[in-house]
Amino acid sequence: GAGVSQTPSNKVTEKGKYVELRCDPISGHTALYWYRQSLGQGPEFLIYFQGTGAADDSGLPNDRFFAVRPEGSVSTLKIQRTERGDSAVYLCASSTGQGIDAGELFFGEGSRLTVL
Amino acid sequence: SQKIEQNSEALNIQEGKTATLTCNYTNYSPAYLQWYRQDPGRGPVFLLLIRENEKEKRKERLKVTFDTTLKQSLFHITASQPADSATYLCALERSGGYNKLIFGAGTRLAVHP
Repeated sequence: GAGVSQTPSNKVTEKGKYVELRCDPISGHTALYWYRQSLGQGPEFLIYFQGTGAADDSGLPNDRFFAVRPEGSVSTLKIQRTERGDSAVYLCASSTGQGIDAGELFFGEGSRLTVL
Repeated sequence: SQKIEQNSEALNIQEGKTATLTCNYTNYSPAYLQWYRQDPGRGPVFLLLIRENEKEKRKERLKVTFDTTLKQSLFHITASQPADSATYLCALERSGGYNKLIFGAGTRLAVHP
């Protein structure tokens, strides 16, 4: 596709359930990022992939959160035992490379997660 | 810890005027700074990137300045239009250059006809 695609756009779940959020980046973009945005706040970094590997996962809040990118393109963010505090918009972004010329981030429209 | 401050109150201006948004940061010396636009219910859209050794960058009606001494960036929209109404986010690079960005909370701009 032309842009970063995220599914589902909205997800409502109950406390304690498991959820998966999917991101399909722009074709050819080697770098992929997950950010989380709470209401009235800016996006907060979660994890960065360069190719298939998680180069920096320091933003993941705890071990309930995990992300994979097995073939270097599509990524899945997985949240176990969801809590009400996990409610937020989860944004995926991709870019062309790394280093000082990593350039702009192309964001998807986000997946809005609501934990009841 | 690193902190980014943007005006939390909405900025209301008249069409045709210049909008100026402020981004202040503390405790960090970023290699570059980016500005994004975000519309309600949408993902952020990249506008401009300015590096630490650049004082000013322009793109069409947009201008960004970067003062590393004051630890401040200013974002200007000249000849503003109602279509410019959105939230504008400032973001600092905090890594070795792979867009591990710290975002401010954003400033909402409303341009009135």
